[in-house]
Amino acid sequence: EAEVAQSPRYKITEKSQAVAFWCDPISGHATLYWYRQILGQGPELLVQFQDESVVDDSQLPKDRFSAERLKGVDSTLKIQPAELGDSAMYLCASSFGQANYNEQFFGPGTRLTVL
Amino acid sequence: AQSVSQHNHHVILSEAASLELGCNYSYGGTVNLFWYVQYPGQHLQLLLKYFSGDPLVKGIKGFEAEFIKSKFSFNLRKPSVQWSDTAEYFCAVKGNNAGNMLTFGGGTRLMVKP
Repeated sequence: EAEVAQSPRYKITEKSQAVAFWCDPISGHATLYWYRQILGQGPELLVQFQDESVVDDSQLPKDRFSAERLKGVDSTLKIQPAELGDSAMYLCASSFGQANYNEQFFGPGTRLTVL
Repeated sequence: AQSVSQHNHHVILSEAASLELGCNYSYGGTVNLFWYVQYPGQHLQLLLKYFSGDPLVKGIKGFEAEFIKSKFSFNLRKPSVQWSDTAEYFCAVKGNNAGNMLTFGGGTRLMVKP
């Protein structure tokens, strides 16, 4: 069964350092999402791509976060510099398209700890 | 803006007990509603969804949810839980006029005692 792949699974970094997370969506899925899940809360959407274009990044803290999906396939989420409050699980999801009936499939996530 | 509220953060049940997890949403228009589950050590997966039609939706593993529009609710139910239902459950809403943003509730952690 096809799955969304993410790496690394765990990342520990010191504040002010740069970190990057990678996501490979299910083959053929045009829509890709990055979520942040703080411990004890539900996931919150950071950015949504349709192919290589950003559809929604209204919740992305653009002073330190950036996301790209250059070829419309895999994607990278970067934080520079990392802050203590960025400690969270970063989830990637993909769907066949943007329509509401398209199910979002989630990856295993990258757990970030900022010291 | 849309929001989702899950009233119970932690629920502990014995096997064979009945389950009902509350979910209320806030949104002024037509909504699509979802329940996701995250089993220990696994990723989020879809349990069931409501788009239109019959407000009683049946999902995998014997779960069902009922959309009550007048109460802005989408509660999850299961008549008899099993130890393997131990997981965290998330309710989510997507408003038809809110782009494609899926908004999640805070989650309910269910523990089923054998």
